[in-house]
Amino acid sequence: AQSVSQHNHHVILSEAASLELGCNYSYGGTVNLFWYVQYPGQHLQLLLKYFSGDPLVKGIKGFEAEFIKSKFSFNLRKPSVQWSDTAEYFCAVTGGNSGYSTLTFGKGTMLLVSP
Amino acid sequence: DVKVTQSSRYLVKRTGEKVFLECVQDMDHENMFWYRQDPGLGLRLIYFSYDVKMKEKGDIPEGYSVSREKKERFSLILESASTNQTSMYLCASSPSLSMGGYTFGSGTRLTVV
Repeated sequence: AQSVSQHNHHVILSEAASLELGCNYSYGGTVNLFWYVQYPGQHLQLLLKYFSGDPLVKGIKGFEAEFIKSKFSFNLRKPSVQWSDTAEYFCAVTGGNSGYSTLTFGKGTMLLVSP
Repeated sequence: DVKVTQSSRYLVKRTGEKVFLECVQDMDHENMFWYRQDPGLGLRLIYFSYDVKMKEKGDIPEGYSVSREKKERFSLILESASTNQTSMYLCASSPSLSMGGYTFGSGTRLTVV
């Protein structure tokens, strides 16, 4: 079974600081990669996704992620965070192995941005 | 917009009760999912369904069952609720299993006392 590891459970940043959230996955075959965000009291929303092609993916709200196949990583970045980015962020993966392939999530990273 | 509606936002049930969590989607998606979300554990898949009357176990199916009698509705059943099933339950739907595109409901926070 595939697994997803997120490096930090909690991150605290000041506004305008740069953000990088780590994500590694275990499956070595073809994967589809996702970052979801959950703002306080809201439902999960898709930030960005990678299927193939350019390994640098841009998403909503100024977020981007880079797929590095050799490192099994898909880190999320934002050059300058805002207070409104306070949320929980989840990395997720589907893999092309046999059988059904549903979204497997990491444990999440809670980001707190102080004004 | 795709909408996934979960019938209850908060539920409090007693140990041993049979509990039904209901989920309805309005975009004719083939696939529906039940996850539970716990602090520090992320989202874990309980069951999913890829067609009416079809279901597959996820990573943590023990203590749960599901029902999908109509395409738009997917129910999660706790046969005999226990305190370790206190959690946030999230329903999702998607046109594809592996291509993402999951749309999530707002969740049902279940407390078993």
